[in-house]
Amino acid sequence: EIVLTQSPGTLSLSPGERATLSCRASQSVSSGYLAWYQQKPGQAPRLLIYDASSRATGVPDRFRGSGSGTDFTLTITRLEPEDLAVYYCQQYNISPLTFGGGTKVEIK
Amino acid sequence: QVQLVQSGAEVKKPGASVKVSCKTSGYGFTSHYMSWVRQAPGQGLEWMGVINPRAGSIGSAQKFQGRISMTRDTSTSTVYMELSSLRSEDTAVYYCARGRRSSDYDPFDYWGQGTLVTVSS
Repeated sequence: EIVLTQSPGTLSLSPGERATLSCRASQSVSSGYLAWYQQKPGQAPRLLIYDASSRATGVPDRFRGSGSGTDFTLTITRLEPEDLAVYYCQQYNISPLTFGGGTKVEIK
Repeated sequence: QVQLVQSGAEVKKPGASVKVSCKTSGYGFTSHYMSWVRQAPGQGLEWMGVINPRAGSIGSAQKFQGRISMTRDTSTSTVYMELSSLRSEDTAVYYCARGRRSSDYDPFDYWGQGTLVTVSS
């Protein structure tokens, strides 16, 4: 199975700053079949990015996905207080579908 | 609007089975595959399996094979997930999650609210 490793584990930044989250795969994720989700406390996950760089419906343009092969990045260009959440990457290239361990974004 | 509404919380004893339902509305039920994802307390997300609502065919992670059953009722637009031989490590919130496109391997664009299953003697 494809193992996804996310870093850092926790990111603590101030509003307006840029957040860069990394997701590294144990083998190439073909066709960029990688997604990013946001999970706020007590809520179900929400799809932010699919196909590595396409924003889901209603997602603000400050969320940007990039990368290919084994290295992917989620960038939040200007942090807002409501971006406090855990962010997960997921590959849907091959079964079993797998998720990374998550990056927690804290707002100072 | 698309809605996925799951059944309520369950408490089960070790060795028992649990069946969670996910009633859908607001879209063509047979046009999107449905997956099940679980999250243990304080932990990350774990994909369990997927069902094709049109054909009823399923696929699951090897870890759950032999213990998981997924079915659907097209008359009520509802999918079901049953997990057997429960153990304490199965304590988790279980989510149904809709595939974005008509494929078994898809990102999940809509999620149910989650069902807490607690396994305790």
